[in-house]
Amino acid sequence: DQQVKQNSPSLSVQEGRISILNCDYTNSMFDYFLWYKKYPAEGPTFLISISSIKDKNEDGRFTVFLNKSAKHLSLHIVPSQPGDSAVYFCAAYSTSGTYKYIFGTGTRLKVLA
Amino acid sequence: GAGVSQSPSNKVTEKGKDVELRCDPISGHTALYWYRQSLGQGLEFLIYFQGNSAPDKSGLPSDRFSAERTGGSVSTLTIQRTQQEDSAVYLCASSPQTGTADTQYFGPGTRLTVL
Repeated sequence: DQQVKQNSPSLSVQEGRISILNCDYTNSMFDYFLWYKKYPAEGPTFLISISSIKDKNEDGRFTVFLNKSAKHLSLHIVPSQPGDSAVYFCAAYSTSGTYKYIFGTGTRLKVLA
Repeated sequence: GAGVSQSPSNKVTEKGKDVELRCDPISGHTALYWYRQSLGQGLEFLIYFQGNSAPDKSGLPSDRFSAERTGGSVSTLTIQRTQQEDSAVYLCASSPQTGTADTQYFGPGTRLTVL
């Protein structure tokens, strides 16, 4: 049972345009969500997070939106840059649970120059 | 170094052999996690250590897998009698504490290939 799903394995976007990466979850106990970025041969690095008490969190070019009723979150990158090309993982966490982060399968973003 | 380190970076072994993978977390981080990423898959939780508490081993796929964390710092993941399906990138992450959904800091991973 995949509790965190990223249904798009890949996405290509032109430089300067918006990239939108989506993530769906099934467990309503999740109350904290994170996005990680991963380059080849490196470990994932933290990008941005959001608590379930918010519906939006912004950090520079990166914004994460959370729709709790739909159990859906998205990461917006504006404007997209070639250096943003990487695999993006969303992760969910329950602060009242067993401290396990549940990761999605990732979306490979390619930003075309 | 300030980050999480893992060794070896690559390991090729023959089916049936035992392997040990090492993780050095960030100094002072009390929580340590092991994950596995198989080809085309997400990060699969394996085991979690927090301070002196009993580890959460619920993600270990079989009894061939075990992990230790000595002195609350370095951790070793051991896979006995390796199988081809064990081939994956094994990632270690540490975080300062649990209960507050702290950011995890990942190491570069160990790529394990079982022939």
